[in-house]
Amino acid sequence: DAKTTQPPSMDCAEGRAANLPCNHSTISGNEYVYWYRQIHSQGPQYIIHGLKNNETNEMASLIITEDRKSSTLILPHATLRDTAVYYCMGFGGGTSYGKLTFGQGTILTVHP
Amino acid sequence: EPEVTQTPSHQVTQMGQEVILRCVPISNHLYFYWYRQILGQKVEFLVSFYNNEISEKSEIFDDQFSVERPDGSNFTLKIRSTKLEDSAMYFCASKRGPSTNEKLFFGSGTQLSVL
Repeated sequence: DAKTTQPPSMDCAEGRAANLPCNHSTISGNEYVYWYRQIHSQGPQYIIHGLKNNETNEMASLIITEDRKSSTLILPHATLRDTAVYYCMGFGGGTSYGKLTFGQGTILTVHP
Repeated sequence: EPEVTQTPSHQVTQMGQEVILRCVPISNHLYFYWYRQILGQKVEFLVSFYNNEISEKSEIFDDQFSVERPDGSNFTLKIRSTKLEDSAMYFCASKRGPSTNEKLFFGSGTQLSVL
């Protein structure tokens, strides 16, 4: 499983972009990078994932470096409801269909 | 969007009792998982399940734990003799296909309290 490193906490002002970094230098070549978030103790919520190319959906954008050793999740206009723990993970594991291995994540606090 | 459904949302039990946590994965999904989260700690993988067999399990998933897909819709986690340290939020998850390009959908969890 890819080992990921994220800052323990970040702050962001409401309405501004939140840029959450993640280092995943041990990720294997065919391992997708996934971002999930967890609000309070709710179930983890999928945000976005990618392999090599940058990705965008209705929630966020994902920028993956060319060497795939790091990525950045961008929430373009953060709201108070985006306050959560954000997890960056590789989808690896002992089977061909993989598992997600959660780390400590980044606690993002969006303030007014 | 389709959801993974877990019941009950809260379960209180006495130490040594058996509990069964229930999950209804998304209907066309074939790959199933259980995770748990002890209060204040990270989400931990317990087990993955496909084709009526355990595919992978963690060190946490000892002989006290078992999983079953008793019918075409339910996926259960049984803890045979609960311990105080089993108190945690348990999350069920599922995905449709084998590709790691397929995202994992999580349920809202069952909070298990062992007294």
